[in-house]
Amino acid sequence: GEDVEQSLFLSVREGDSSVINCTYTDSSSTYLYWYKQEPGAGLQLLTYIFSNMDMKQDQRLTVLLNKKDKHLSLRIADTQTGDSAIYFCAESNSGNTPLVFGKGTRLSVIA
Amino acid sequence: DADVTQTPRNRITKTGKRIMLECSQTKGHDRMYWYRQDPGLGLRLIYYSFDVKDINKGEISDGYSVSRQAQAKFSLSLESAIPNQTALYFCATSDSRGGGGETQYFGPGTRLLVL
Repeated sequence: GEDVEQSLFLSVREGDSSVINCTYTDSSSTYLYWYKQEPGAGLQLLTYIFSNMDMKQDQRLTVLLNKKDKHLSLRIADTQTGDSAIYFCAESNSGNTPLVFGKGTRLSVIA
Repeated sequence: DADVTQTPRNRITKTGKRIMLECSQTKGHDRMYWYRQDPGLGLRLIYYSFDVKDINKGEISDGYSVSRQAQAKFSLSLESAIPNQTALYFCATSDSRGGGGETQYFGPGTRLLVL
């Protein structure tokens, strides 16, 4: 089946930029998503990108998509302690199957 | 008010007991999902439903059953709970008619402990 891979941990200093990476195998992916899970909470949609785009920016968040390499990244500028969470990458293809999620990257922000 | 609610939020039960986790949504979405989350394993899909009366198995359906009684409600049952079903359970919804992919919206989760 289709697969989404992420590294499990990332640690950055407050004020630095964070880059969380994701690779996927489904060449027919149409939408790719980033979700954030804060401690004790459910998953919250952060942003998504359509597969015909290569970049999307939303305030401190920048999503880059390299469709040829099936690589997605999430950059968080000026990372704050409130950004500490687990970040999940997910992909969708035709809409007839559920989203496929990665295992999540735990971001720790050091003050 | 939350769009996707789950009850109970926390539950402790004993091995062999039958329990039900409930999910309700006010988003008017047609599709609903149940996931479990375990440390280091991410989210794993248990069951999903694309409409009332439509039920599909996910990655780890053994030991679980579901019921989609109405568009807004999707319940998950553990017929005979076992300790390795201790996990955090999430319900999610999506709208196939939204035209923006299959963005899923999650409930707050139910923390289940099976002793």
